[in-house]
Amino acid sequence: AQSVTQLDSQVPVFEEAPVELRCNYSSSVSVYLFWYVQYPNQGLQLLLKYLSGSTLVKGINGFEAEFNKSQTSFHLRKPSVHISDTAEYFCAVIISGGSYIPTFGRGTSLIVHP
Amino acid sequence: SQTIHQWPATLVQPVGSPLSLECTVEGTSNPNLYWYRQAAGRGLQLLFYSVGIGQISSEVPQNLSASRPQDRQFILSSKKLLLSDSGFYLCAWSVQGSSGGTKTQYFGPGTRLLVL
Repeated sequence: AQSVTQLDSQVPVFEEAPVELRCNYSSSVSVYLFWYVQYPNQGLQLLLKYLSGSTLVKGINGFEAEFNKSQTSFHLRKPSVHISDTAEYFCAVIISGGSYIPTFGRGTSLIVHP
Repeated sequence: SQTIHQWPATLVQPVGSPLSLECTVEGTSNPNLYWYRQAAGRGLQLLFYSVGIGQISSEVPQNLSASRPQDRQFILSSKKLLLSDSGFYLCAWSVQGSSGGTKTQYFGPGTRLLVL
């Protein structure tokens, strides 16, 4: 079965600094990859997804992620964060040709300080 | 466009009382539907999913149950709540199909349940 690892449970950063949230998965077959954001007391909102094609995926709110097959990673980046980016971020993976149910990471709490 | 609704938004219930949470999707037909629970400070736990009316798959055996009486309605129930049932309950939907684009899940706003 596939697994998703978000190594950092919490990432503190100052406003306007760059940030990278790490996501690694375990799978020997093709995958679909997703990043979601969850603001306090709200549901999950899709940030971006990789289904096929270009390995660099751009999403909403200035976020982007790069699919690295050799390193089985899908790290999320933003060049300059805002206070409003403070939220929980979840990485998810679906195995191509398998179940349509995603496996979620445990989440990374991004805390942006002024 | 598609929208997903959940209610109530917040619920405080005594231990041993029944539970009914409702989720409805608009703007799509025959979606896959999911119930997740998110305990405080933890990730998502898939509870149930459904590929059609009356078709429910359970991921975690517990005192919760789910039903899908209509195509775009998904209900989470319990006959007797436990303290451990407290958490944030999320409903999600996805398009049925086999291509990659159909795999994306879209989440509702959630229901905060506190069992006292």
